[in-house]
Amino acid sequence: AQTVTQSQPEMSVQEAETVTLSCTYDTSESDYYLFWYKQPPSRQMILVIRQEAYKQQNATENRFSVNFQKAAKSFSLKISDSQLGDAAMYFCAYCYSGGSNYKLTFGKGTLLTVNP
Amino acid sequence: GAGVSQSPSNKVTEKGKDVELRCDPISGHTALYWYRQSLGQGLEFLIYFQGNSAPDKSGLPSDRFSAERTGGSVSTLTIQRTQQEDSAVYLCASSPWTGTGRYGYTFGSGTRLTVV
Repeated sequence: AQTVTQSQPEMSVQEAETVTLSCTYDTSESDYYLFWYKQPPSRQMILVIRQEAYKQQNATENRFSVNFQKAAKSFSLKISDSQLGDAAMYFCAYCYSGGSNYKLTFGKGTLLTVNP
Repeated sequence: GAGVSQSPSNKVTEKGKDVELRCDPISGHTALYWYRQSLGQGLEFLIYFQGNSAPDKSGLPSDRFSAERTGGSVSTLTIQRTQQEDSAVYLCASSPWTGTGRYGYTFGSGTRLTVV
């Protein structure tokens, strides 16, 4: 069974600084997708960035980028120029692309605090 | 609608009572998921609906949990004889059928269930 591990329950960063959130996963599959979701206090999960496993190039979305290391099964999220609005719980998620239900397997999350 | 709508936003119920949680997905989205988020835990897959196919119920934790989806749109998650361990946030998500799962889902804001 696939598992996703986020080893940092909490992280903090100063406004305008850079922070990296860690995620590792375990799978025997070669084709899959990886996601980072943000959950602010409103509870709604918001997709931040996604990565297709067959692509070697790391995904970027404005201030958000990932470091995808397929062999190491590592998928970290880098937030540059951190803003107060980035404060939230961040979840890493895995989806096997060959499955029948495309369910997401989530890590337990990292709570990010942004200090002014 | 413009987003995934869930109701009620919050629900407090007495132990042993039955509850119904409602999810109204994005119009045209054929895939619908229910997840449970317990305190300090990641999201746990419960059930998946895809069009008119039989649902994938592999994540339901006990036979007290059931769900249906009427007309390929609105879904109701029912918990019978609620227990205190059922207290959690129940999140619904929907997705267009892409055949690959590559785009992730759009989540609702969830229902926070408290069993007293």
